[in-house]
Amino acid sequence: ETGVTQSPTHLIKTRGQQVTLRCSSQSGHNTVSWYQQALGQGPQFIFQYYREEENGRGNFPPRFSGLQFPNYSSELNVNALELDDSALYLCASSLAVNSYNEQFFGPGTRLTVL
Amino acid sequence: AQSVSQHNHHVILSEAASLELGCNYSYGGTVNLFWYVQYPGQHLQLLLKYFSGDPLVKGIKGFEAEFIKSKFSFNLRKPSVQWSDTAEYFCAVNLAWGTGGGNKLTFGTGTQLKVEL
Repeated sequence: ETGVTQSPTHLIKTRGQQVTLRCSSQSGHNTVSWYQQALGQGPQFIFQYYREEENGRGNFPPRFSGLQFPNYSSELNVNALELDDSALYLCASSLAVNSYNEQFFGPGTRLTVL
Repeated sequence: AQSVSQHNHHVILSEAASLELGCNYSYGGTVNLFWYVQYPGQHLQLLLKYFSGDPLVKGIKGFEAEFIKSKFSFNLRKPSVQWSDTAEYFCAVNLAWGTGGGNKLTFGTGTQLKVEL
């Protein structure tokens, strides 16, 4: 069973640029959530996708957007990058969107904005 | 909005010492509670979870946690820590939410545990 994978591992961008991060969910999982983990902080929920539809969003501006594909993999897009966007971005997949389903986390993508 | 507080940001213990990490949450409704661990260089992984029933839950690697509803707490314990327990520990809360129920997690800021030989 393949776990959650994310790409790229590390990324360096400059202010104002756009970035796309990718996530492959664990086999059989139809729900993907994205989290931002700033240095010294716990992960913060960005949004969740369930069967290709956004299923809720945290307190993040519209320049954070996402997609989920028919194979349940997902993308996180961030436009107009700001310095504060520097963080570890985590993807988590779960078997279903029910709150009793464990979320399995990927290794994350470390984004640095200069 | 719900929040999760972890009061100990850094904890240093000697091997064989007992561990208790505090976690408090603010929400008056029904919650699911989790402890996640992140070992150096590894993914976040689930240590244990509480949904209902016996408020004392046991997880992997000898960890346990007790849910005290009246105190809005879910403290993590281990009677005797090992050097390999050195990691960052996160408490998290999950509410039924969203069109399908939802499983958004709200995390605390984490506790960095260092176990010395």
